[in-house]
Amino acid sequence: DAKTTQPPSMDCAEGRAANLPCNHSTISGNEYVYWYRQIHSQGPQYIIHGLKNNETNEMASLIITEDRKSSTLILPHATLRDTAVYYCIVRVYNTDKLIFGTGTRLQVFP
Amino acid sequence: EAQVTQNPRYLITVTGKKLTVTCSQNMNHEYMSWYRQDPGLGLRQIYYSMNVEVTDKGDVPEGYKVSRKEKRNFPLILESPSPNQTSLYFCASSPSGSYNSPLHFGNGTRLTVT
Repeated sequence: DAKTTQPPSMDCAEGRAANLPCNHSTISGNEYVYWYRQIHSQGPQYIIHGLKNNETNEMASLIITEDRKSSTLILPHATLRDTAVYYCIVRVYNTDKLIFGTGTRLQVFP
Repeated sequence: EAQVTQNPRYLITVTGKKLTVTCSQNMNHEYMSWYRQDPGLGLRQIYYSMNVEVTDKGDVPEGYKVSRKEKRNFPLILESPSPNQTSLYFCASSPSGSYNSPLHFGNGTRLTVT
């Protein structure tokens, strides 16, 4: 399985964009990049996923580099409620499960 | 509201006393699965089900049973709980088990076995 590397923690001021990086240099051509977050001990919340094109939804944008070796999750206007652990996951072709790493703990401050 | 519902949210029990954690989804999803989350070990898959009457083991199935008699329900059964099953459990569902199909998680069940 392709591994991901994320910084253990980041800070962001409320109202500013939060840019969370993820390295996945061993990703294969048919593997998707997923982002989830977990607030305290609640269930992981799906944010967004993509294969090679940039993606945007009501929560966030996902920017994937052309070589697909890294990606960035962008929360355009972070709020205090965005404080959470964010997981970048590479999902293997023909597998049902998600393999969670240690993630990035994002702290949004006033 | 589309959701995955687990019950109970908190459960304290004693070693050997059989228990069931229920999971229900209202999204008509084919695929459901169970994970457990432990400090330092992340989330690990216990069992999954691709459809009604179809279940299979995940990475840590020992000590657990599941059943899928109806599409919406996927209970997790601990026949003889032990302290090493103290954990935070999550049920998840998706339209299919495809890698292009996001998983949606319930809010968790915190189990303590003494």
